[in-house]
Formats: sequence, structure tokens, C-alpha cells
Amino acid sequence: IQMTQSPSSLYASVGDRVTITCRASQGIRSDLAWYQQKPGKAPKLLIYAASSLQSGVPSRFSGSGSGADFTLTISSLQPEDFATYYCQQDYNYPLTFGGGTKVEIE
Amino acid sequence: EVQLVQSGAELRKPGESLNISCKGSAYSFTKYWIGWVRQMPGKGLEWMGIIFPGDSDSKYSPSFQGQVTMSADKSINTAYLQWSSLEASDTAMYYCARRVSGRNDVFDLWGQGTMVTVSS
Repeated sequence: IQMTQSPSSLYASVGDRVTITCRASQGIRSDLAWYQQKPGKAPKLLIYAASSLQSGVPSRFSGSGSGADFTLTISSLQPEDFATYYCQQDYNYPLTFGGGTKVEIE
Repeated sequence: EVQLVQSGAELRKPGESLNISCKGSAYSFTKYWIGWVRQMPGKGLEWMGIIFPGDSDSKYSPSFQGQVTMSADKSINTAYLQWSSLEASDTAMYYCARRVSGRNDVFDLWGQGTMVTVSS
């Protein structure tokens, strides 16, 4: 299953609402996760099952979608949110990730 | 502290073998699958495979089947990723990660990564 994220990068300011999309090449129910990765660090799980917030993740992060189209939203961008975000389908093996969306400071 | 600690950076020549490790602590290591993820320099994440340390059951991505071997030693809470003959294209950061409990194949706990550099 191919996962396509858009945009590949975006510029935003602190306080902005940011939306990242992920499209699967076939329907994957709600079997989608989102990760955040900062430079030189391991990825961090944010969202699983499309919309379930991982424990400890701030509520400004939310996920939505089902089938083939999904969205990660950051309601009010904070300085620590500048990072690269990846979606991952867990509908079937092999697990696959999207190409990533880099959120940069405007 | 619940954590996965990976072995240190490696510099190898093409054709050499390599074994990197991932040690779990402060949780029941044998009850959670451990996945491996590759990240080539400046690139995205690629899932390589997953192993269950309890019985060493494993699943490989077709892209990595036959290229690497996953193993685990449950007596020391450690998973391994092995190459028998490295290539320059194996240069990458390799992460191990714990699969969550339940039905979701997602990863909630990650190692710090092991950088593998293959160069003559």
C-alpha cells in the first residue's frame, strides 16, 4: 500500500492551524498512525487508529479520516512542533510510511 | 525507565558482516513485538520487519527479505539486526521500536537509533 503525504513541506507561524494530509493507495479502514520526528531524534507516536491520541500527546494534535484519506491537524502550532510528520498504515504487511511533511518556521 | 537502548554507531567496509542490537528494559520484553525501521540519510522511514522475542516469530518486508536477519535473545531482553555482507547502500540510521499491545501495528517506544556507515 502506497502512502502519499501532502504537502511535502510547509511554512507556518506559531499559533497557526496546520493541516497535513495522507492518502492511501487503497482503503485501509482507520488503520493509520501519525508520528513526529525532530532532527537527530527517533520518531514519536502521536495518533493511532486514525484519531486516537497517544498518551501524553498534547490535545492540539488531532487526527481524522477513514478509508483512504486522512488528516493530521495541529490546532495552534507551538515552537516545539516544528518537525517532520509521517503517516503509517497498519492495515496490512508490509507496513508503509508516507514520505513525510516538514513543518518549518515562516 | 521503560526504554529501548541500541548499540552504538558502526563503520564497516563493503562485504563485511554486522550485528546491531536493541535492549529493552523495565517492561516485559517477551510480550511485545519489536520492529526495525530504516532511515537513509535525509530520507523517510522504511519498515523492515518485526520479531516477537517470546518465540522469535518474524515477518519481513519484501524489500528487506533475504537482505537482513532479525533475531532475539529473550534471556537478555535483546533483539538483533544482522547483515552477512554489507553494501554501501546499507548506510542509514536503523531504529528498533516496540509495537503497541492490542490490534494496532504501530510503535510507541523507540530506540535512539544506530547509525551504520558502509564505506571503503
